[in-house]
Amino acid sequence: AQKVTQAQTEISVVEKEDVTLDCVYETRDTTYYLFWYKQPPSGELVFLIRRNSFDEQNEISGRYSWNFQKSTSSFNFTITASQVVDSAVYFCALMELGGNKLVFGAGTILRVKS
Amino acid sequence: DGGITQSPKYLFRKEGQNVTLSCEQNLNHDAMYWYRQDPGQGLRLIYYSQIVNDFQKGDIAEGYSVSREKKESFPLTVTSAQKNPTAFYLCASSIVPGPNEQFFGPGTRLTVL
Repeated sequence: AQKVTQAQTEISVVEKEDVTLDCVYETRDTTYYLFWYKQPPSGELVFLIRRNSFDEQNEISGRYSWNFQKSTSSFNFTITASQVVDSAVYFCALMELGGNKLVFGAGTILRVKS
Repeated sequence: DGGITQSPKYLFRKEGQNVTLSCEQNLNHDAMYWYRQDPGQGLRLIYYSQIVNDFQKGDIAEGYSVSREKKESFPLTVTSAQKNPTAFYLCASSIVPGPNEQFFGPGTRLTVL
């Protein structure tokens, strides 16, 4: 069975701090895909990244970076030098190859204070 | 601009009434999805459609129904059989079914009084 756990319910940081959002997943498949989405206060989910299980290279996009470690079944997301506009709910999600269902974690609320 | 529209943004209904939530996309995507979001929980899949005239149940389909008569439209009906319908409903689409980026609409917040 697929499962995604985001243990951090809510994180508060001060602007310019770095923050890491944790994501741990469970799957029996050897081929799967991991996603991160951002949900700002407007409600619409915004896609951030997709990573397949064969690509363990870390990814960096501007202030965002992702650390994928199969050995610990984790796909953590780091925001460097956080900004108030980063305040949102962040979801990690998993899809197995051949599946059509995205399984979401419960989300982490990130509050960045000025 | 291409995207997904959901209407209305806020919807109030009396208990026992059926209500239909609209979802339209002009992205020419084959696959469409409906999710439900409750406070403190992730999104849960209600129904999805891989192609016109086809749809499958997700994890929490009881009390809901859908149709996919046109590629661009995937309306969701919340029936009186749904025991706790108050929630935030999100529609999404992807170019084809499978592990692809899903594009989301702005959501409809349904409150049953």
